[in-house]
Formats: sequence, C-alpha cells, structure tokens
Amino acid sequence: GNSVTQMEGPVTLSEEAFLTINCTYTATGYPSLFWYVQYPGEGLQLLLKATKADDKGSNKGFEATYRKETTSFHLEKGSVQVSDSAVYFCALRGLTNAGKSTFGDGTTLTVKP
Amino acid sequence: DTAVSQTPKYLVTQMGNDKSIKCEQNLGHDTMYWYKQDSKKFLKIMFSYNNKELIINETVPNRFSPKSPDKAHLNLHINSLELGDSAVYFCASSPSTGGNEKLFFGSGTQLSVL
Repeated sequence: GNSVTQMEGPVTLSEEAFLTINCTYTATGYPSLFWYVQYPGEGLQLLLKATKADDKGSNKGFEATYRKETTSFHLEKGSVQVSDSAVYFCALRGLTNAGKSTFGDGTTLTVKP
Repeated sequence: DTAVSQTPKYLVTQMGNDKSIKCEQNLGHDTMYWYKQDSKKFLKIMFSYNNKELIINETVPNRFSPKSPDKAHLNLHINSLELGDSAVYFCASSPSTGGNEKLFFGSGTQLSVL
C-alpha cells in the first residue's frame, strides 16, 4: 500500500535560518504529492502540491520538487520566520484508492526570534 | 463564509455517553471525509463519502457511525465513548475522488472523554 515517511521532529530553528523537512514516499503508479500546514488550533491547509515528476510546487517562500527517481518531495524554505511555526504534513494521493490521501506523521517546526 | 464548518469545536463528555459531531461544506464538493488526529498529531482517515455513498471505511470500531444526509453534510455519531476516543476529529472535503485534488479541512472538534 501507499506510505509516506517524514523527517522526525520537532525541529527548532532561529529566524532567517534555512529549513528542510524530508519526505519520501512509497506508492503504486504516479501519485500527486502535497505539503499541508497546520497552525496551532486550526485545521490543515494546503501549502503546495505537485502532480507529476519534476514539478516544483511553491507558495509563501516554500518549495518542494517531485523527485520520482528518489521518491522524495522535500520541503525547503530559504529564510524562516516566527510565523512559520506550525506542524507540516507531507501527503500523497493516488489516482486509484477512492481518493484516499496518505499522510506522513507530521513535523513540528518552532522558529525562535 | 467558512468553507468547511464543523460543530462543536470542543466536546467534553463522560465515558459511556453517546455524542455527535456535525460537518457542513459550502464548496459544492462531492466527497467528504472524517479524520482523527491523536495527541502526537498523527492523522488517520476514518471514513469517506462520495455523493452520499460510503467509499472508505477504515478499521474503525463500529461504535463510530457516519451519516451523510446529503452531499454537503457528513456527521459522525459515536456510541459508548471510551477514554481512547479522546482526540481531535477533522472533517474535510474535496471536489471528487480525483487523484490530484487537495483536501479542504474544517477547524476540528476536540473531543475529551473523562
């Protein structure tokens, strides 16, 4: 079955530091890949997505590239802010399996001033 | 207007009680979901409905019963609540079961069973 493995947290960074959160996946076929962000006390919201190999998703300074050869979708940001403190989830969604999305375990990011 | 709204936001109850959580989406989506998030933030799908038809039913105790009266609503009823049911429950929706569609989440219902 499908699975997503995320870098374990928590991650603590200073403001303006570089962020990488690793994500690798196992799936049949060619899934779409997503990063969702959950701010404290809120539901998840889409941060970015990529639907095919070599696509790069980007939003709010975050980027991730769909790497089929390494089955990865690592999240990066060049300079984090305190407001980026949240839980980040990597997810995949296949063409089959009734629209079921598979989520990683989440990575908690804390950015200190 | 909130796209996916669920009520109540907080639910505190005693073991053995029966409770319901309601969810409504005003996005015109065909597909709705219930997810459970535990204290470690792990997110697990419970159920999914497409056009009022149950299409995903994960390994969930049969004390949990979803109901979809129409495409815009998906409710979750829980019988005989147990301590281990304490979690945050999220409703979500998507336009269909298509593989490249994102999920729209509600803000969650924090259930505490005492």
